Amino acid sequence: QSALTQPRSVSGSPGQSVTISCTGTDSDIGAYNYVSWYQQQPAKAPKLMIYDVTERPSGVPDRFSASKSGNTASLTISGLQAEDEGDYYCCSYTASKTCIFGGGTTVTVL
Amino acid sequence: EVQLVESGGGLVQTGRSLSLSCAASGFTFKDHGMHWVRQAPGLGLEWVSGITWNSGSKAYADSVRGRATISRDNAKNSLYLQLNSLRPEDTAVYYCVRDVEAANRGLGFDLWGQGTLVTVSS
Repeated sequence: QSALTQPRSVSGSPGQSVTISCTGTDSDIGAYNYVSWYQQQPAKAPKLMIYDVTERPSGVPDRFSASKSGNTASLTISGLQAEDEGDYYCCSYTASKTCIFGGGTTVTVL
Repeated sequence: EVQLVESGGGLVQTGRSLSLSCAASGFTFKDHGMHWVRQAPGLGLEWVSGITWNSGSKAYADSVRGRATISRDNAKNSLYLQLNSLRPEDTAVYYCVRDVEAANRGLGFDLWGQGTLVTVSS
């Protein structure tokens, strides 16, 4: 099964908003509300930012929000800060009872 | 401290087998589904396998199905992955990961180990 589709990179100035899309199919994102998002900074393990499509774990700033429409999920970072730089991955449950990640998006703060 | 600690990585020859272990501490292990996620050098994340809280359901990625076996021992707070017939493309950092729920549907991977590097070489 192919990875979910994410843009390779997005960028924004401090204080701006950026949105990362994650496109799947009727057999994954479109079929289940099991979408999550992860931030990975260099040489670190990934960190859960969003689960269950829109839920933020405790400790994650409310600048991070997410949504889903059809086969596409989205992560929005509002009020971009330098510490938000890193790679972001989406993940979804699938009809094959597996999980699948997106290819990853690098967020750059200009 | 709430943590996951992987062990068992290293350099392995093509075609051989490897067993990874993950020791959990600081939380109720049996309340969570568990997974293995890997990351090849310089590349993205790849889900490998997941197991429900009671080992009632196990799932595998196509890339390892038939070669991998995931298991857990709730009495020992431990997760395992046996990977056979290793290939160079199995080279990656393997992360032990906790699911936010007892199932293994990847609702959210909220705790990650530091990872253990597996290098497969001929």
